[in-house]
Amino acid sequence: AQTVTQSQPEMSVQEAETVTLSCTYDTSESDYYLFWYKQPPSRQMILVIRQEAYKQQNATENRFSVNFQKAAKSFSLKISDSQLGDAAMYFCAWGADSNYQLIWGAGTKLIIKP
Amino acid sequence: SAVISQKPSRDICQRGTSLTIQCQVDSQVTMMFWYRQQPGQSLTLIATANQGSEATYESGFVIDKFPISRPNLTFSTLTVSNMSPEDSSIYLCSVALIQGAGGYTFGSGTRLTVV
Repeated sequence: AQTVTQSQPEMSVQEAETVTLSCTYDTSESDYYLFWYKQPPSRQMILVIRQEAYKQQNATENRFSVNFQKAAKSFSLKISDSQLGDAAMYFCAWGADSNYQLIWGAGTKLIIKP
Repeated sequence: SAVISQKPSRDICQRGTSLTIQCQVDSQVTMMFWYRQQPGQSLTLIATANQGSEATYESGFVIDKFPISRPNLTFSTLTVSNMSPEDSSIYLCSVALIQGAGGYTFGSGTRLTVV
C-alpha cells in the first residue's frame, strides 16, 4: 500500500529566509504524481506545486521548488524568501497515474516569524 | 482549473439532525471526491462520486451515514446523517479535471460543529 510521510509536524522560519519541508513516500508504482498543497486558516486547499514521476527535472513555481529524489522516494518543498502569507499547513500527496485517488501526508504547520 | 462553490461554509447543528453539503463545479468533471478533515489532522477520503452511479465509500464510511448524490457532471451533495459531536469536522469536496496530471481542485470547505 502507498504511504506518505511528513516527519515535521511544525516548522518555523524567519521572514525572507528559506525553509525546506520534507516528504517521503512509499510505492511500487512506476507512474505517479506528487503534490504539495497549502491550507491556510481559511481552510481552502491550494495546489502549490506538482511533479510528474517520469520527469527528472525538479518542478519550480516562482519561490517554490521541489527536490525530487525518485530512488530515495523523497519529495521536499523549498520555499525561498518566505513571506507572512506563506504561513499555513502544508500537505504532501501522492497520486497514481492509474486512478484518481490521492494519498495524503499528515501535514506540516509552517510558521513565519516577522 | 475548475472553480468549486461549496455551501454552507459553516454550520452548527443539533445532534441527531442531518446536514446536506453542496458542491457546484463550473465545468463538467467525471469524478468528485468527498473528504473529512478532523481538527489538526490530514484529509480522509469519505467516498468517490461518479455521475450516474453509486458512490464508492472508503473503509469506515457507510452510505446510511453519508449518503451522496451526483445527479449530473457539475454537482454533488454529501449528507451527514444522524449527527453526533464526533462528526464535527471540516468537510471538503474535490474534483480532478485530468487524472493525475491536472492536479485536484478543492471547494472552500464546510466547518461543521455538532452540539
